[in-house]
Amino acid sequence: QVQLQESGPRLVKPSETLSLTCTVSGGSVDNYFWSWVRQPAGKGLEWIARIYSSGSANYNPSVAGRITMSIDTSKNQFSLNLRSVTAADTAIYFCARESNYIWRLWGQGILVTVSS
Amino acid sequence: EIVLTQSPATLSLSPGERAALSCRASQSISTDLSWFQQKPGQAPRLVIYDSFNRASGIPARFSGSGSGTDFTLTISSLEPEDFAVYYCQQRSQWPRTFGQGTKVEIK
Repeated sequence: QVQLQESGPRLVKPSETLSLTCTVSGGSVDNYFWSWVRQPAGKGLEWIARIYSSGSANYNPSVAGRITMSIDTSKNQFSLNLRSVTAADTAIYFCARESNYIWRLWGQGILVTVSS
Repeated sequence: EIVLTQSPATLSLSPGERAALSCRASQSISTDLSWFQQKPGQAPRLVIYDSFNRASGIPARFSGSGSGTDFTLTISSLEPEDFAVYYCQQRSQWPRTFGQGTKVEIK
């Protein structure tokens, strides 16, 4: 059974870089699209980035210019770097796998707080 | 970007009642719409994809309909575990977007 697990610092200072990793267990990252979706506390969902196993990525314009996504097929992981964070980037960050253009599998999410 | 507007914001119903949730797109998205269920402290769970296809493991009381700009998620008879927030999401155009959610709460 394939599972996704987010990891990374839970607290990031303003203007610094938020870095998260999603580890895929029970399956391979190969031949799938992988996404990050975030959710501020008590609010709705926002897709921010996705990457294919080849390394090709695309980003939401809302964060484009500050965001980089990467994938390490040898470790079965993909990662997110979001630069110059502010309090508005405080959210639960979910990683998700896309199958036939549909997000069918999600990680449990990780709450990241931006605060000094 | 495509804006999805969900209504109502909150639906107060009793177990056994029928729920009808609406999602309207700012432009046509064919049938490229999914519905997700989210409970407190949990990740979203896929319920319906491509407007009317039930995801794996989803009970038959859930059904989806619509095309173009107007979509509906129907729960024919609410079970206690169905009380949650439901989000619609479009994959027709980048960036992919979600509606703001409809909370189905116990009356």
